Amino acid sequence: GQNIDQPTEMTATEGAIVQINCTYQTSGFNGLFWYQQHAGEAPTFLSYNVLDGLEEKGRFSSFLSRSKGYSYLLLKELQMKDSASYLCAVENYGQNFVFGPGTRLSVLP
Amino acid sequence: DTGVSQDPRHKITKRGQNVTFRCDPISEHNRLYWYRQTLGQGPEFLTYFQNEAQLEKSRLLSDRFSAERPKGSFSTLEIQRTEQGDSAMYLCASSGIRTLAKNIQYFGAGTRLSVL
Repeated sequence: GQNIDQPTEMTATEGAIVQINCTYQTSGFNGLFWYQQHAGEAPTFLSYNVLDGLEEKGRFSSFLSRSKGYSYLLLKELQMKDSASYLCAVENYGQNFVFGPGTRLSVLP
Repeated sequence: DTGVSQDPRHKITKRGQNVTFRCDPISEHNRLYWYRQTLGQGPEFLTYFQNEAQLEKSRLLSDRFSAERPKGSFSTLEIQRTEQGDSAMYLCASSGIRTLAKNIQYFGAGTRLSVL
């Protein structure tokens, strides 16, 4: 079967660092994506991993371990505008996508 | 380029009615996806087109749901005999030529369906 797990909610303080974990079991793997979704808005692309290791992009980094079926998204120097849901998604060989339930992050002053 | 657009943004209908949603992808994109999202959940894959060909359809999708992309440009999603459980946000996404092997999807703002 296909399954993606993420924590439901997380809370962090402005200026801090937060790590959002994602574990997955899917039929085929063609890459892992992280999307950000503010309430009532469309998801927007943040990060992509297809090989093991860390991808860094400004305040956001994403890590992948294919053997463990595990990824995380690291957000540094948190800002209030980072309060949103963060969606982990895996692309299968058929080029369709399985999304996780999303992690709702609240950044407090 | 104005991005992915969806119409209508909101639809309220009575149980048993048929509804149709439209999605206009980014013009040069050949792949188009439909998802359903309920409150507090991630998007759930419904179906996927490459150009005008419907390549995959979720096993969760009942025969009341049908999607078309007749000329490989815009797409429509129709739900027949709507049920209250169909109430959700329906998202459309498109993607184009893979950049550095990334199949990045660009999402529309969605159509929120309420079935009374």
